[in-house]
Amino acid sequence: KAGVTQTPRYLIKTRGQQVTLSCSPISGHRSVSWYQQTPGQGLQFLFEYFSETQRNKGNFPGRFSGRQFSNSRSEMNVSTLELGDSALYLCASTRGQNYGYTFGSGTRLTVV
Amino acid sequence: DQQVKQNSPSLSVQEGRISILNCDYTNSMFDYFLWYKKYPAEGPTFLISISSIKDKNEDGRFTVFLNKSAKHLSLHIVPSQPGDSAVYFCAATPNTGNQFYFGTGTSLTVIP
Repeated sequence: KAGVTQTPRYLIKTRGQQVTLSCSPISGHRSVSWYQQTPGQGLQFLFEYFSETQRNKGNFPGRFSGRQFSNSRSEMNVSTLELGDSALYLCASTRGQNYGYTFGSGTRLTVV
Repeated sequence: DQQVKQNSPSLSVQEGRISILNCDYTNSMFDYFLWYKKYPAEGPTFLISISSIKDKNEDGRFTVFLNKSAKHLSLHIVPSQPGDSAVYFCAATPNTGNQFYFGTGTSLTVIP
C-alpha cells in the first residue's frame, strides 16, 4: 500500500512569506503528526491531528498551524517565515500508539 | 526540555563488530520505546520497539534493551554492516498520550 506522501519535497521561500505543506497519510491511518528536524535538535514535535481535531501541540509559536481534513490528509502552515524555520518537516501517520509511526520523506524548507 | 537524550552524536564501528547506540529518558511515564533509522533525504523508518513490560526485544541483527530503573535503553546491532550506516533516533511515548518524543539522533558509520 502507498506510504505517507508529502508535497512538495523542496521549497525555497523568503523571510516574511507564508508556506503550506501537505501530507497524505497511509490509508486507514487517522492520526497524523508533524515534526521539525534541524541539525542538533532531533525531531521536534509540532502537532498531532486525529479525526480533524488537534489532539496535541508542541512548543512552537502560533505562526505554526495545521489542520486535518475528513479524508485524514493534513496541511501545515507557517506564516511570517523566519530564517530559523529552515528545516526538514516530517509528517507521520499511525493507526495507534503501539504501532509506531510511518514517516513521509519530508519537505525540505529553506528560508532565505 | 529534552525528555529523550542521545548523548553520542556519532559512532564509528568496524564491519562485523557490534554497534551499541544508547538513549536515556527522564519521564517515568514513558512506557513504549522505539528506534528509527534515517537515511539522508528520506523520512525515518521504524526499526524495532519495546514495551516497558519487557527488558529485551530481538529482531534479527537488532536487539533493544530496556533498563527501566536507569531510564536507559540501548540498541545493539550484531554484526554491523555498511548498509547500517545511518542516523538512529530513539523515541518514547507515555501510555496516556499520542505524542512521541524523539532523541537528537546518533549518526552510525560502519566502516568496511
